[in-house]
Amino acid sequence: AQKITQTQPGMFVQEKEAVTLDCTYDTSDPSYGLFWYKQPSSGEMIFLIYQGSYDQQNATEGRYSLNFQKARKSANLVISASQLGDSAMYFCAMGSPGTASKLTFGTGTRLQVTL
Amino acid sequence: EAQVTQNPRYLITVTGKKLTVTCSQNMNHEYMSWYRQDPGLGLRQIYYSMNVEVTDKGDVPEGYKVSRKEKRNFPLILESPSPNQTSLYFCASSPTRSSGNTIYFGEGSWLTVV
Repeated sequence: AQKITQTQPGMFVQEKEAVTLDCTYDTSDPSYGLFWYKQPSSGEMIFLIYQGSYDQQNATEGRYSLNFQKARKSANLVISASQLGDSAMYFCAMGSPGTASKLTFGTGTRLQVTL
Repeated sequence: EAQVTQNPRYLITVTGKKLTVTCSQNMNHEYMSWYRQDPGLGLRQIYYSMNVEVTDKGDVPEGYKVSRKEKRNFPLILESPSPNQTSLYFCASSPTRSSGNTIYFGEGSWLTVV
């Protein structure tokens, strides 16, 4: 069984600062994918970034980067230069590429960006 | 435009009144699934379908039914809704073998059962 743990229910960050959202995972699958989604107050799920378990380099997408430490089973999201529009709920999720596309989600971290 | 469309987006209903939340995708994806989101629990999978006429239970299937008669549609049926099914529901679709940004979510359906 797969499990995702997000231990930070809420985080505050000042505008223009960087912030790290923690995510640890557990799985016995040799191949897996790690996802981060953003959910603003309007409710939609917005895909941010993806990391495959065999990818050699950490994924980056604009201001988002994924700090993937396989041995520690962690996949932390780093948001650089935070903006007010980054205030949202953030979910870490895991899937098993190559089989079914079921995602196992963490409980989320609510990020608030302040002036 | 690739999209997953859910309807209704918002619904308040009464206990016991059958309702259906529709989900349609235009990407010819084989895999479709339903999730529910509850505070403090994240998203949990209700049911999924690998292809037409192939469905299976996810982690929280009690109180729900699904059908997959056409590849593009995957409705979620609540035969006798109860207040504990008040939740935000998401439909998602993807190719069977997926990675990265190939999992598409609908915009969500806010359901309240009173």
